[in-house]
Amino acid sequence: SQKIEQNSEALNIQEGKTATLTCNYTNYSPAYLQWYRQDPGRGPVFLLLIRENEKEKRKERLKVTFDTTLKQSLFHITASQPADSATYLCALRGSSNTGKLIFGQGTTLQVKP
Amino acid sequence: GAGVSQTPSNKVTEKGKYVELRCDPISGHTALYWYRQSLGQGPEFLIYFQGTGAADDSGLPNDRFFAVRPEGSVSTLKIQRTERGDSAVYLCASSFLGGAGETQYFGPGTRLLVL
Repeated sequence: SQKIEQNSEALNIQEGKTATLTCNYTNYSPAYLQWYRQDPGRGPVFLLLIRENEKEKRKERLKVTFDTTLKQSLFHITASQPADSATYLCALRGSSNTGKLIFGQGTTLQVKP
Repeated sequence: GAGVSQTPSNKVTEKGKYVELRCDPISGHTALYWYRQSLGQGPEFLIYFQGTGAADDSGLPNDRFFAVRPEGSVSTLKIQRTERGDSAVYLCASSFLGGAGETQYFGPGTRLLVL
């Protein structure tokens, strides 16, 4: 069955450093991979989308890589700030029009001042 | 409205009762999705509507769960004979056309607690 794994342990880093979060998947060939941010008590908020034929995508301090051979995506936040502290979710979607996103369990990031 | 809204924000019910959860998507969005999120887990897909019809209901766990979207806008998720295992946050999301590369916009969720 399809499986997505993200770092289950919380990631603690110092302000100003680069945070790197990992998303690995098996038994799936996604056409799209998305990253969402979720704060406590809130719904997920979309951050970035990367397509299967793209290697890397950037948006301000965020960078996503997508390696379909390794079946892995890396999500980087450069110059991290305490306000970046949240849970980050990786989500996969196929090319068909089923609509559903398959989410990982999320990684909690804590940026300390 | 400006975003996806869900009501109620919290719902406490007793085992065996019936509950309805409402979702108001972003105006003009034809696609609507329901997910369920348990503590410490990512959202789990339940059902996807394209307009008024359920295009994919493969995530509904059993026949106690049912959802409708009669006019292609507001949707209601209905749970019959609730069980303690149904306790979770129920998230609704919408997108413009439902295309595979589209962003899904999530509401704040309804926190359901079954005692």
